[in-house]
Amino acid sequence: DTAVSQTPKYLVTQMGNDKSIKCEQNLGHDTMYWYKQDSKKFLKIMFSYNNKELIINETVPNRFSPKSPDKAHLNLHINSLELGDSAVYFCASSQGWDPGQGAQQYFGPGTRLTVT
Amino acid sequence: AQTVTQSQPEMSVQEAETVTLSCTYDTSENNYYLFWYKQPPSRQMILVIRQEAYKQQNATENRFSVNFQKAAKSFSLKISDSQLGDTAMYFCAFIRRGAGSYQLTFGKGTKLSVIP
Repeated sequence: DTAVSQTPKYLVTQMGNDKSIKCEQNLGHDTMYWYKQDSKKFLKIMFSYNNKELIINETVPNRFSPKSPDKAHLNLHINSLELGDSAVYFCASSQGWDPGQGAQQYFGPGTRLTVT
Repeated sequence: AQTVTQSQPEMSVQEAETVTLSCTYDTSENNYYLFWYKQPPSRQMILVIRQEAYKQQNATENRFSVNFQKAAKSFSLKISDSQLGDTAMYFCAFIRRGAGSYQLTFGKGTKLSVIP
């Protein structure tokens, strides 16, 4: 059983398009995250939701909008895609968001987005 | 803002030997958590080991151990009896949860190659 799954695994699209990446976790966790990993492997957190409430919203273009229909899902919608959006996007989940309470993050397999 | 520095972009080690990956961080806080994540070619992010800053004892997980020097703000990962499956990118991460805030920072990674 896949704990944290993302679809699609690969996404190739043209500049200006709108696309979504879906994330689902079956661990019963209440906190989910989106990360972006650029071509230099630098991993940066973008958003985090705890019980469907946004708790981390780093400085990312407002073309990126997370949507959490329920605790098990956190989707990432990207409008007007740009070349610089090409990266691998990782979803993760944890129970709680306090690492002191054992909030260990479990990562999905990643979605490689290529904008042409 | 917290920074996490991994000064070794690439390292290699002979199979069955021991290797140490370095990580330093900068923070004025006293309570925080440090993690090492492994990212093999499959791209999946896998938690290797975690350390609570308030614990003086170094964390150990089988062949993986850390040397946590809080005063020096150093958090190195030692891999003993290196195996071919250890070949991966390794990321050091700093997490701190404070009142009304949550800070999470990854280092830029160290690419480790285990040579047969």
